[in-house]
This record gives sequence, structure tokens and C-alpha cells, in this order.
Amino acid sequence: QVQLVQSGPDVKKAGTSVKVSCKASGFTFSASTMHWVRQGRGQRLEWIGWVVVGSGNTKSAQNFRERVTITRDMSTSTVYMELSSLRSDDTAVYYCAAERGGEGVFDLWGQGTVVTVSS
Amino acid sequence: DIQMTQSPSTLSASVGDRVTITCRASQSISRWLAWYQQKPGKAPNLLIYDVSSLNSGVPSRFSGSGSGTEFTLTIASLQPDDLATYYCQQYSVYPLTFGGGTKVEIK
Repeated sequence: QVQLVQSGPDVKKAGTSVKVSCKASGFTFSASTMHWVRQGRGQRLEWIGWVVVGSGNTKSAQNFRERVTITRDMSTSTVYMELSSLRSDDTAVYYCAAERGGEGVFDLWGQGTVVTVSS
Repeated sequence: DIQMTQSPSTLSASVGDRVTITCRASQSISRWLAWYQQKPGKAPNLLIYDVSSLNSGVPSRFSGSGSGTEFTLTIASLQPDDLATYYCQQYSVYPLTFGGGTKVEIK
């Protein structure tokens, strides 16, 4: 079955870090680019960054560059997104999404992970 | 960053109506535009890419058009299953950016 399955919800204190996982199955993980996108309550979707699975190269949005680390484990077909120095406005649903065809097009999404940051 | 602006933010229409959503980019993005459908409590789902190419499995009542800075998503005959929020997204330059969304309600 072609799918992305993300880790469960998490509650963190401000100033700490969170690490969200996303396990891929049913497609050629090594040939994909995996993105992270978040959505605050009532907010638009916001692109965080990507990892090219085959090479491990990463790129992130300027807003997150100092705080985000995106990695992948090809042995388990899993991608990770770690966000540090959490603030209350990082409270959001975090999605992983696969780019399997055209660059920048998200044709497969995970179910989302709710991250709540409390002060 | 390229700003994506959608209108309207909400629309209410009857089953069978033709519905059009507009998306404007703050600078030219050629044809590097996608549309996503997000149903309540669910992840977004790719409808259209490259302005007008339908993703596999997407009903033919959905269509897209435009180029440069102005784009439209049209639902030819609105169905109850189309209750959702629709987002445009540009992938011309990084950072990738999304519109604010258009919530489609069924009258």
C-alpha cells in the first residue's frame, strides 16, 4: 500500500525540541524527495524543507533554517524532522509529503502529526 | 518570497453549480502551479499540477487554467463530496508557498 505514516501527537515545553517521523511504504523511497509542511490552526500551509532521499541533501525555508534538521534512514524508509527552540507559535499540524514526480509537487501526504507547544 | 492570494476565501454554492476559484501570484510563476483539496480533519490531496494536469484518480469535473500570475480552479458541477478547502501552491521558486485557501460550502 502506497502511504506515509507519521508518528503520533506530541506535547512539548517551549524551548525544547520535537522530532517527528514519517515512514514510507509502497513506492521507491530512494527515488523521492521528502518534504515537511506545517499548518497552524486556521492558517495556510507553510513549507518547512526537504531531503533528497537518495543523496541526503537538504534544503529548508529561511524561517526555519536555524532550527530545523531533516534526515532520512534508508534502511527503514523513514524521514525525520526535528525542530528546536520551540515556541508557542510552532503549535501546528506537521505533514510529511512525497515528491515522486515533478519537482515541488506533493503527490502523497502523511496523515499529519499534531505538535502542541506549551509555555 | 512569492505571495499567493486566493479569492474568494469562502464560497457557498448548490450541488450542480459551476464553481471558480482564483489564485494570483505576486510575480510570474509560469505554469508551476498546483491545486490541493483538503477535507476537514484530513491531509491535503493533490488535484492538479502544472496548472492544468489532473492527478491520477481526480474526477474530470475539476479543471485548471492560467499562466504567469493568474490562475483558476473550476469545478464544473459541484458535488456534495467537494466540501473542502482548496489551496493553490507555486513551485517556481523556493520557498514553496501556498495560497490562503478557499473554503467551499454546499448550500
